[in-house]
Amino acid sequence: AQTVTQSQPEMSVQEAETVTLSCTYDTSESNYYLFWYKQPPSRQMILVIRQEAYKQQNATENRFSVNFQKAAKSFSLKISDSQLGDTAMYFCAFMKPWGRSEKLVFGKGTKLTVNP
Amino acid sequence: NAGVTQTPKFQVLKTGQSMTLQCAQDMNHNSMYWYRQDPGMGLRLIYYSASEGTTDKGEVPNGYNVSRLNKREFSLRLESAAPSQTSVYFCASSEWTSGSDEQYFGPGTRLTVT
Repeated sequence: AQTVTQSQPEMSVQEAETVTLSCTYDTSESNYYLFWYKQPPSRQMILVIRQEAYKQQNATENRFSVNFQKAAKSFSLKISDSQLGDTAMYFCAFMKPWGRSEKLVFGKGTKLTVNP
Repeated sequence: NAGVTQTPKFQVLKTGQSMTLQCAQDMNHNSMYWYRQDPGMGLRLIYYSASEGTTDKGEVPNGYNVSRLNKREFSLRLESAAPSQTSVYFCASSEWTSGSDEQYFGPGTRLTVT
């Protein structure tokens, strides 16, 4: 079974600085997808960024980028120019397409606080 | 376009009571999911439905039942609630194509069992 590990339960960063959240996963699959979800205090789950394992290029979405190291099974999230609105829980998730549904396996999350 | 909606938003039950959590999506997605979120545990899959008429167990199905009523609606039932089922419950949906599509989440239901 796939597992996802987020080793940093809590992190903090000053506004406008850069922070990196770590994620490692364990799988024997070669084709899969990785995601970072953000959960602000409103509780809503929001997709931040996705990475397809077959793509060597790291995904980027505005201030959010990933460092995907397939051999090391590592998938870290970098947030540049941190903003107060980035304060949230961040979940790393793994998905192996299975039949006709996609089942997500989540890490336990990292609580990020952006300080003014 | 409301996306994924869940009712109720909050619920308090006594041990042994039953209830049904409702979920509906208006995106014409085939796949729907129920997750629970406990402090320090992330989200864990309870049940999922790949398409109308099919349901399958996820990681933590004990104590729950589901019904895929139609393509839009997927309900989660607790027959005899236990304090261990105190959690936040999320419904999600996705469209299976090449298997890479995003799951869209509802706003969650906070359930407390006393």
